[in-house]
Amino acid sequence: GNSVTQMEGPVTLSEEAFLTINCTYTATGYPSLFWYVQYPGEGLQLLLKATKADDKGSNKGFEATYRKETTSFHLEKGSVQVSDSAVYFCALSDPGGYNKLIFGAGTRLAVHP
Amino acid sequence: EAGVAQSPRYKIIEKRQSVAFWCNPISGHATLYWYQQILGQGPKLLIQFQNNGVVDDSQLPKDRFSAERLKGVDSTLKIQPAKLEDSAVYLCASSLERGPYEQYFGPGTRLTVT
Repeated sequence: GNSVTQMEGPVTLSEEAFLTINCTYTATGYPSLFWYVQYPGEGLQLLLKATKADDKGSNKGFEATYRKETTSFHLEKGSVQVSDSAVYFCALSDPGGYNKLIFGAGTRLAVHP
Repeated sequence: EAGVAQSPRYKIIEKRQSVAFWCNPISGHATLYWYQQILGQGPKLLIQFQNNGVVDDSQLPKDRFSAERLKGVDSTLKIQPAKLEDSAVYLCASSLERGPYEQYFGPGTRLTVT
């Protein structure tokens, strides 16, 4: 079945460091891919998305490129801030399953000054 | 624009008791989702409504869980009787339509079953 695998956390970085959170997926058909973020004490919110191969989603300095050949959607940011500390979830929209979201387990990011 | 509202925010019950959660989606959103998020895991879809009809309830444990969406707006999710393994955060989300549209999530209800 369709699934998402993302790197385990926690990821601990110093402010202004480069961030990569790996995400790979297994899917039949052509899913859309998403990164959601959950800040402490808040609900899940969409960070970025890509709907077809080679699309790049970007928001708030974060980027991810839909790579069909490697079935990946890695999240990157060039310079993280303390305010980026949160849990990040990679997800796919299952076109054969009424477009429900299938989430990875989440990666906790902690950025310290 | 008001977000997705959920209540209660926290609930503690004993096993074999029943509990109900309420969700009010964003106005005009036709599709409503209930997810279960167990600690340390990503959210898992329990049930999806399109207006007031069920689109997907394949992962809903129907022997103990039930959900309804009256008049295509508010929704309630019920567990009866609860088990220890039902301890989780229950998230409600809504989107404009079915499809790869952004889903907007509520703050969730944290359920603890003792």
